[in-house]
Amino acid sequence: DIQLTQSPSFLSASVGDRVTITCRASQGISSYLAWYQQKPGRAPKLLIYAASTLQSGVPSRFSGSASGTEFTLTISSLQPEDFATYYCQQLNSYPRTFGQGTKLEIK
Amino acid sequence: QVVLQQSGPGVVKPSQTLSLTCVISGDSVSSNSAAWHWIRQSPSGGLEWLGRTYYRSKWYNDFAVSVKSRITVNADTSKNQFSLQLNSVTPEDTAVYYCARAENRAARSFDYWGQGTLVTVSS
Repeated sequence: DIQLTQSPSFLSASVGDRVTITCRASQGISSYLAWYQQKPGRAPKLLIYAASTLQSGVPSRFSGSASGTEFTLTISSLQPEDFATYYCQQLNSYPRTFGQGTKLEIK
Repeated sequence: QVVLQQSGPGVVKPSQTLSLTCVISGDSVSSNSAAWHWIRQSPSGGLEWLGRTYYRSKWYNDFAVSVKSRITVNADTSKNQFSLQLNSVTPEDTAVYYCARAENRAARSFDYWGQGTLVTVSS
């Protein structure tokens, strides 16, 4: 199985900050990586697919990039509604696997 | 707009069968570009993919090794829905269960999710 390691697991930041979350795959997955946002009691919401393509309706302050087996999600200027948990997921092979999550909290 | 509506019991007794249904609106379970998945989220928060069904001239399924001997995923074209059955449940199967659509046009990502069903395995 492909392992995805997210860092950091917890992140404390303020409104207006620029934050970056990293997801490292245990082997090559091409660009088959997605990022999701989850708020308490809600299903995950797709933010980015194919490593860097913004899902329709997602604000442009979210962006994704890739370099080899390392993927990043960047939020350029945190808004109050962005405080949530973020997960990466690989879609290259089965079983589909997720990172362990990054909880973004208000400083 | 695609909507996935889940239904099923919230409590299942140990050794019994967990059964959930996901009704699709806005798409077809027989779509040639989508696949229909089940995922669960443990109380500690981790997301675990369980299995999928999809139609490409015939029906196919894939399952996680961890549940392969206990899981069934079926599609019902007459009701435009798909279902999950997990046999011989234990307390370790307690989780929030989600159905989701994976769309080839979104690089296989899970673009629509059901609302989630908390299933507790307890006597």
